Amino acid sequence: SAVISQKPSRDICQRGTSLTIQCQVDSQVTMMFWYRQQPGQSLTLIATANQGSEATYESGFVIDKFPISRPNLTFSTLTVSNMSPEDSSIYLCSVGGIETQYFGPGTRLLVL
Amino acid sequence: AQSVTQLDSQVPVFEEAPVELRCNYSSSVSVYLFWYVQYPNQGLQLLLKYLSGSTLVKGINGFEAEFNKSQTSFHLRKPSVHISDTAEYFCAVSRASRGATNKLIFGTGTLLAVQP
Repeated sequence: SAVISQKPSRDICQRGTSLTIQCQVDSQVTMMFWYRQQPGQSLTLIATANQGSEATYESGFVIDKFPISRPNLTFSTLTVSNMSPEDSSIYLCSVGGIETQYFGPGTRLLVL
Repeated sequence: AQSVTQLDSQVPVFEEAPVELRCNYSSSVSVYLFWYVQYPNQGLQLLLKYLSGSTLVKGINGFEAEFNKSQTSFHLRKPSVHISDTAEYFCAVSRASRGATNKLIFGTGTLLAVQP
């Protein structure tokens, strides 16, 4: 298994600003994933981040809005840019192979 | 493409009663199936998974699930629930193909509300 930490755990932000969320894993992993969980909803994959290459975004998510960095095999960041109240969600990172994924505790974001 | 349907958005049950949370999936290829639990204000924790082999899978906290290929279902069961089982439960599916991305497709979740 993998131990995943995220920072910040929660934040309240003003609309129009940006927030960068950090994800740290206790072991080297090839693929990292970023999910969004809107209030009362299920999880939706935002993008897949491989070290050394551009992130792959899912339909409905774009790099300008959710830029991702993956500088090494244990760390990734997701930025939520030019935020609006609709971005209020829990953002989770996960790691794993095809047979299982482990999730971080999430970052709870409220945009006012 | 794969999809997951969790038929019940909320399941109320009394403590020590049995419970079944339903999950159906749709896929044209072989899949792996998962159940995750999310306790209030926490991240997701893997309960159990089906990859291959025995269709009855046992997980943590006394939960089990049965893979039924003909009915494309993967229902989660527990013979006797506790108050501490109150949480949101998510069923998820991924393609079981070499070289496929590891993308998980989640259902909409079922809130298990255990009452004393």
